[in-house]
Amino acid sequence: ETGVTQTPRHLVMGMTNKKSLKCEQHLGHNAMYWYKQSAKKPLELMFVYNFKEQTENNSVPSRFSPECPNSSHLFLHLHTLQPEDSALYLCASSQEDRAEAFFGQGTRLTVV
Amino acid sequence: DQQVKQNSPSLSVQEGRISILNCDYTNSMFDYFLWYKKYPAEGPTFLISISSIKDKNEDGRFTVFLNKSAKHLSLHIVPSQPGDSAVYFCAASAGGGSYIPTFGRGTSLIVHP
Repeated sequence: ETGVTQTPRHLVMGMTNKKSLKCEQHLGHNAMYWYKQSAKKPLELMFVYNFKEQTENNSVPSRFSPECPNSSHLFLHLHTLQPEDSALYLCASSQEDRAEAFFGQGTRLTVV
Repeated sequence: DQQVKQNSPSLSVQEGRISILNCDYTNSMFDYFLWYKKYPAEGPTFLISISSIKDKNEDGRFTVFLNKSAKHLSLHIVPSQPGDSAVYFCAASAGGGSYIPTFGRGTSLIVHP
């Protein structure tokens, strides 16, 4: 498998649940990102990892917890989310901080 | 405040005609600009980019024009094809493209057969 793969593609969770989103890239990149896309809003950068180290956290609530065990894998752990957190969550990777990023297909999250 | 603006949420074009998607930016530090294309149920795909040292970059049917004085860029698709129907995101980066880009809201392009 090539490119950036995200699982699951769709997720419905209750506000008290704990779930995790997974991202895997096979491009040899060393930077990985989580973005949030809400309806009619720009892509919002959430977290950035360079060489497994978190280099950016854009004031994301603590109910979102990222984990990057190696440069090929990225997780987003979710707990006690709110309905307004329902959105498309996109993972991306790039070579270091190059602007040209490769995106996964996203996880459509619905919080009920 | 949005630093990258795509003021047209949607655009409808006839097949074979030109599609022009516009983007404005406010941050003078931006010096590298990108366009991404997104189909439903897929992630954005990088399409074309341009550095601020150029005013035009062409790749097949896609051309991006940059007007630095107006802080405006546009993506031209000629000729438009039904398969081009997608959401197009404009993005801008500083540091010659070494910084993480800021995205616009996107413009939904529909190309009618």
